[in-house]
Amino acid sequence: DQQVKQNSPSLSVQEGRISILNCDYTNSMFDYFLWYKKYPAEGPTFLISISSIKDKNEDGRFTVFLNKSAKHLSLHIVPSQPGDSAVYFCAARISPDKLIFGTGTRLQVFP
Amino acid sequence: GAGVSQSPSNKVTEKGKDVELRCDPISGHTALYWYRQRLGQGLEFLIYFQGNSAPDKSGLPSDRFSAERTGESVSTLTIQRTQQEDSAVYLCASSLEPEETQYFGPGTRLLVL
Repeated sequence: DQQVKQNSPSLSVQEGRISILNCDYTNSMFDYFLWYKKYPAEGPTFLISISSIKDKNEDGRFTVFLNKSAKHLSLHIVPSQPGDSAVYFCAARISPDKLIFGTGTRLQVFP
Repeated sequence: GAGVSQSPSNKVTEKGKDVELRCDPISGHTALYWYRQRLGQGLEFLIYFQGNSAPDKSGLPSDRFSAERTGESVSTLTIQRTQQEDSAVYLCASSLEPEETQYFGPGTRLLVL
């Protein structure tokens, strides 16, 4: 029973264009959402987050959008850069001590 | 400052053997988490330590798995009588407080033959 779903296992985008990574969730009790980025042989690193009371949070080239009615969030990266190539995990917080992660989307940004 | 470190980085073991994985959290972080990532899957919560409170073991998949943490420092995850399905990357994370950002270590890649 996957409560956080990332249905696209991979995404390929040209440098300079927008990357949009999607995430769907099933539990309306989730109150906080995060995106993590993971390079090979490294642990995930925190990228950006959003509280359920907001619908948008922006940090430089990264923007996260939350649509509570659709139980959907997305991460926009613009402009995309080759260094953004990594696996991106969406996570939802169900309690102060527990995050539920999606399966990840591998983003490749090509020149 | 130093991040979360884990050792070993890779471990190959035979089915039935016990393994011990180590995590050194960021100094001063009160919360420590263990996750597992199997091939092609997301991160799966295993166990959580917060200060001197009883750990949240709700994610441990079987009684072959156990973990300890000494105060607010090192943690060890032990898998007894390993099985092939235990093969995964085991990730440790720590945070200053439970609701704060979790910082991950590089993981231990475990392969059970």
